[in-house]
Amino acid sequence: AQSVSQHNHHVILSEAASLELGCNYSYGGTVNLFWYVQYPGQHLQLLLKYFSGDPLVKGIKGFEAEFIKSKFSFNLRKPSVQWSDTAEYFCAVNAGTGGFKTIFGAGTRLFVKA
Amino acid sequence: GAGVSQTPSNKVTEKGKYVELRCDPISGHTALYWYRQSLGQGPEFLIYFQGTGAADDSGLPNDRFFAVRPEGSVSTLKIQRTERGDSAVYLCASSLGEVGNEQFFGPGTRLTVL
Repeated sequence: AQSVSQHNHHVILSEAASLELGCNYSYGGTVNLFWYVQYPGQHLQLLLKYFSGDPLVKGIKGFEAEFIKSKFSFNLRKPSVQWSDTAEYFCAVNAGTGGFKTIFGAGTRLFVKA
Repeated sequence: GAGVSQTPSNKVTEKGKYVELRCDPISGHTALYWYRQSLGQGPEFLIYFQGTGAADDSGLPNDRFFAVRPEGSVSTLKIQRTERGDSAVYLCASSLGEVGNEQFFGPGTRLTVL
């Protein structure tokens, strides 16, 4: 069965610090990978996604993620966080040929100190 | 246009009762998903529909849970003989019909079983 593991449940950073959130998945075949974000009081929304091609994916608000197939990882990065990045971040995967079933990680709650 | 809407936003019921949770997807989205999110966890896949049919219901925890989408638009998640462990936020999402498309989430229904 597919599973997604997010390494950190809570992260606290100061503004301008660099961010890296870890995500590993277990599935041996072709995958589609996603990062979703939930800002306080808002719905879950897509941050970025990887289907194929360039393993370095750029998303909204300066976020990027790198797919490393050999490590089954899809870590999220941002060079300089802002207070407005305070949110909960979820990594998700679906099997590329297996339909729409999407498995989410437990989430990482990021707090950025102003 | 309008996003995904869910009603009610909150539902409190007693153990053993029957509940229905409704989801109105974005117009034109053929794929519809139900997830359950417990405190401190990521969304847990329950079921998804492609049009009117349940294409994958492997996430439904047991036969007390059932979902329908009779006309390929609105969906209802039905829970019979509710238990305290069913308490969670139930999320609905919709997307265009191709695998891996962005899922647009609703605000969720918070279900509390006393």
